[in-house]
Amino acid sequence: DAGVIQSPRHEVTEMGQEVTLRCKPISGHNSLFWYRQTMMRGLELLIYFNNNVPIDDSGMPEDRFSAKMPNASFSTLKIQPSEPRDSAVYFCASSDWTGAQTLHFGNGTRLTVT
Amino acid sequence: KNEVEQSPQNLTAQEGEFITINCSYSVGISALHWLQQHPGGGIVSLFMLSSGKKKHGRLIATINIQEKHSSLHITASHPRDSAVYICAVRYPNTGNQFYFGTGTSLTVIP
Repeated sequence: DAGVIQSPRHEVTEMGQEVTLRCKPISGHNSLFWYRQTMMRGLELLIYFNNNVPIDDSGMPEDRFSAKMPNASFSTLKIQPSEPRDSAVYFCASSDWTGAQTLHFGNGTRLTVT
Repeated sequence: KNEVEQSPQNLTAQEGEFITINCSYSVGISALHWLQQHPGGGIVSLFMLSSGKKKHGRLIATINIQEKHSSLHITASHPRDSAVYICAVRYPNTGNQFYFGTGTSLTVIP
């Protein structure tokens, strides 16, 4: 299996622009997570989906952030408009919570908003 | 309260030393994961535990359910073990949400 695939690996954008991060989970995994990592706050859960349904989005900072999972093999995290304080590494992870319950991370997207 | 605490926060060791990183949690869990993150790199799951002990190469992970405590041991440490090690727990009745410790930054000096 190719693992969890995230794109892009790096994104540099100007304040006010829309940013879309993409994730393809491991085939057969039924949970998908979006995390944000910063030096100050470590790993923070933004939102997670079970069977493509958003379960907990309380970690989404504000209305500028939105996430979708239209099918079991694809999810997006969108920031519109972006701000410099959104600069961080965004990780997508997937898990088979009804089975082995392992947790697999993508390589992350490093976002820089100038 | 779903807290996960790790210690130490930072650790420097000489090559060859035996290393222990600790993780404590507040209430009963479904599973505990040890994760490894190299500088500028992705996050890799090393172990998933719900009881007992697991070993993979020079890495050993143990968990004591009664004491709500887990340890990650590295035997014969090597500079390539330098990374951040993160403890993550899954509590029952929280869906499939994971809670993370703040991580232990390990540096192994040749």
